[in-house]
Amino acid sequence: QKEVEQNSGPLSVPEGAIASLNCTYSDRGSQSFFWYRQYSGKSPELIMSIYSNGDKEDGRFTAQLNKASQYVSLLIRDSQPSDSATYLCAAYTGGFKTIFGAGTRLFVKA
Amino acid sequence: KAGVTQTPRYLIKTRGQQVTLSCSPISGHRSVSWYQQTPGQGLQFLFEYFSETQRNKGNFPGRFSGRQFSNSRSEMNVSTLELGDSALYLCASYSGRGNTEAFFGQGTRLTVV
Repeated sequence: QKEVEQNSGPLSVPEGAIASLNCTYSDRGSQSFFWYRQYSGKSPELIMSIYSNGDKEDGRFTAQLNKASQYVSLLIRDSQPSDSATYLCAAYTGGFKTIFGAGTRLFVKA
Repeated sequence: KAGVTQTPRYLIKTRGQQVTLSCSPISGHRSVSWYQQTPGQGLQFLFEYFSETQRNKGNFPGRFSGRQFSNSRSEMNVSTLELGDSALYLCASYSGRGNTEAFFGQGTRLTVV
């Protein structure tokens, strides 16, 4: 069974701090990795995609991928209360199928 | 350009009934995936369609089915509804040109009573 695992949280950080979200995946053949943000009652919104080992930065967000360790992370710098949401990690495993983790709830305290 | 459109947004059905949900992907996108989201199970993959063909299917009973039309619009059907089918059903739109980034619709919230 191909899986994507995330700590469900909640992860609580003060405003202005760095939030670190982590994810592991079981299928070594996974090719593409994504982070989605989902506000309560809303649908997931793509915020980062990463395809090769290393770091990818976009504004306050940095995605990190380590295929050897089968590990993906998302760092949110200068966290804001508006970043409070559930963050879903996802892996495209081939076969036209993307597997999602159950999500980590993040709370940013003002 | 317009996003992914799912209808209806909310549904209340009785056990044993059937339901059909609709999804119109982003214009030009040819691939559609359906997911079920529940608090305990997260996002579970139902099936994926491209050019009217189902290319992959998740581990759901045969009561869950889907189809895609020539204009890329997709429908999913759930027959003989059970209480456990209550969930948010999400449709994801992909360009289908090797790009695996998913864009989600607002979802259909199904409640089975």
